[in-house]
Amino acid sequence: DAKTTQPNSMESNEEEPVHLPCNHSTISGTDYIHWYRQLPSQGPEYVIHGLTSNVNNRMASLAIAEDRKSSTLILHRATLRDAAVYYCILRVLNAGKSTFGDGTTLTVKP
Amino acid sequence: GAGVSQSPRYKVAKRGQDVALRCDPISGHVSLFWYQQALGQGPEFLTYFQNEAQLDKSGLPSDRFFAERPEGSVSTLKIQRTQQEDSAVYLCASSSLPATGELFFGEGSRLTVL
Repeated sequence: DAKTTQPNSMESNEEEPVHLPCNHSTISGTDYIHWYRQLPSQGPEYVIHGLTSNVNNRMASLAIAEDRKSSTLILHRATLRDAAVYYCILRVLNAGKSTFGDGTTLTVKP
Repeated sequence: GAGVSQSPRYKVAKRGQDVALRCDPISGHVSLFWYQQALGQGPEFLTYFQNEAQLDKSGLPSDRFFAERPEGSVSTLKIQRTQQEDSAVYLCASSSLPATGELFFGEGSRLTVL
């Protein structure tokens, strides 16, 4: 199944934008790119997803490369509450299994 | 409730005991997933249901692990003869669409095997 690769950790200052990268070079044409984040002692929380076009919602933006082999989650103004582990996964059309890697641990400094 | 509910939140078992973990998905959600998350790692896929049908159980680590969803709503993950390596957080997620919709996760059941 398709895998994703993310940096282990990133740091950001509060109120600055954060760009979290994800590589998914083996993505298939029908795979959707999903992002989740997980706070300590909680289950993962949905952030955003997309297929080909860039997406925006109230939490974040998702920029998808033209060849779809990479994507970037953009938090426009990081807050302390955005400190979490961020996971990029691929969801396969009409199949269940999605593989989470170890994600990126985002630290936000005041 | 509005979200995915899991019980118990915490379970301590002695090695060799059987445990059962319950998941109540969001009402009407077709798809249900179980994941296992070890400390400091990302969730690992265990199994997937679409309604009552278990379509993928490739992630179940051994035949001691068994999952069911008999009426297409509540699901139970059963672990027989627990071992210390089974200690982890077990996450349940549901989705309204077969594959492309967002996953809604519960808070997980933390299993500690002594």
